[in-house]
Amino acid sequence: DQQVKQNSPSLSVQEGRISILNCDYTNSMFDYFLWYKKYPAEGPTFLISISSIKDKNEDGRFTVFLNKSAKHLSLHIVPSQPGDSAVYFCAAKNNNDMRFGAGTRLTVKP
Amino acid sequence: DVKVTQSSRYLVKRTGEKVFLECVQDMDHENMFWYRQDPGLGLRLIYFSYDVKMKEKGDIPEGYSVSREKKERFSLILESASTNQTSMYLCASSLGAGVRGEKLFFGSGTQLSVL
Repeated sequence: DQQVKQNSPSLSVQEGRISILNCDYTNSMFDYFLWYKKYPAEGPTFLISISSIKDKNEDGRFTVFLNKSAKHLSLHIVPSQPGDSAVYFCAAKNNNDMRFGAGTRLTVKP
Repeated sequence: DVKVTQSSRYLVKRTGEKVFLECVQDMDHENMFWYRQDPGLGLRLIYFSYDVKMKEKGDIPEGYSVSREKKERFSLILESASTNQTSMYLCASSLGAGVRGEKLFFGSGTQLSVL
């Protein structure tokens, strides 16, 4: 029962363009959402988060948008850089229950 | 910075062996977690602990047990390793129970192969 879904296993964009990674969830009790980034041979690292009471949170080149009615969130990276190439995991949290999506592999081409 | 250290980067074990995966965190975090990462499935929670000597089952606890004798150390035990336990194992810690929006800090992972 995957409560958090990332339907695109991979995404390829050109350097300088926008990367948009999408995530859908099914449990309306989730009240906090996070994005993690994972390089090969390393553990995931926290990237950005958003509370369910907001619809947007921005941190430098990274912006997360939340659409609660659609149970959808997205991560925008502008402009994309080759160093952003990694696997991105979406996570949703309710109290101490944190669920992860399957991940999207982003490749940013120079 | 929080440091979460997993004792082995790669492990190769034989079917039926008892396997210990060790994890240590250095930031006095209350919570510790064990996940496994498999292609197409993301990160799935095996066990977690909110306090010393305390453990809770995650989504896929079968075939695993855990031990938390000290606050900083959380061990994952495969009682009798099987080939379907070949996976990347990730340990994580977080500040404390009930902290809204708290994020997890992950170790680098242990790639376990069971032959």
